Amino acid sequence: QVQLVQSGAEVKKPGASVKVSCKASGYSFTGYHMHWVRQAPGQGLEWMGRINPNSRDTNYAQKFQGRVTMTRDTSNSTAYMELSRLRSDDTAVYYCARGDDSSGYYYFWGQGTLVTVSS
Amino acid sequence: QSALTQPASVSGSPGQSITISCTGTSSDVGSYNLVSWYQQHPGKAPKLMMYEVSKWPSGISNRFSGSKSGNTASLTISGLQAEDEGDYYCCSYATGSTSLYVFGTGTKVTVL
Repeated sequence: QVQLVQSGAEVKKPGASVKVSCKASGYSFTGYHMHWVRQAPGQGLEWMGRINPNSRDTNYAQKFQGRVTMTRDTSNSTAYMELSRLRSDDTAVYYCARGDDSSGYYYFWGQGTLVTVSS
Repeated sequence: QSALTQPASVSGSPGQSITISCTGTSSDVGSYNLVSWYQQHPGKAPKLMMYEVSKWPSGISNRFSGSKSGNTASLTISGLQAEDEGDYYCCSYATGSTSLYVFGTGTKVTVL
């Protein structure tokens, strides 16, 4: 069965970087884009970007351009999302989600990783 | 792209029907039938409820139905049940320079 398992919670200071991992299993990792979506406490979902694990091509939301980097390691079917120059308003749960991009939906989601940015 | 606009809250009694709207623009909802809907319970990952405007994912009850007219998509829940309570988000593919996908602002559904 398809599973996306994310790394554990992180606490970071303002200005630091965080790297969240998402290990995929149960399907061909290179066959689907991996998207990243975040949710600040009490707020809605926000699309951050996606990576094509086959080509390494990425698309980022303009809001995160210059601060976010999405990468992948096909040898262990893992996608990564690194966010730099963290601010307090980056405190959020970060989700990876497998994108069925021809139909524009996310059926499989990771469990979420809480990133807390605090001095 | 700005977030798609949804009502903050919608409520109904068990057995009733409710509809959640999702209003975007001609750059997202209005141009593509790539609207999906997600249900989220506190502390949980979102769950896909509808895709391509009106298609059911595996395991989703046909009490849920989707439609679209112009720049507004809608999700209707018929025969409302207590388990339907939660937050609902729409999502659309989008053209434009700011974001490939855009989510709605979210709607809290309360079963009275």
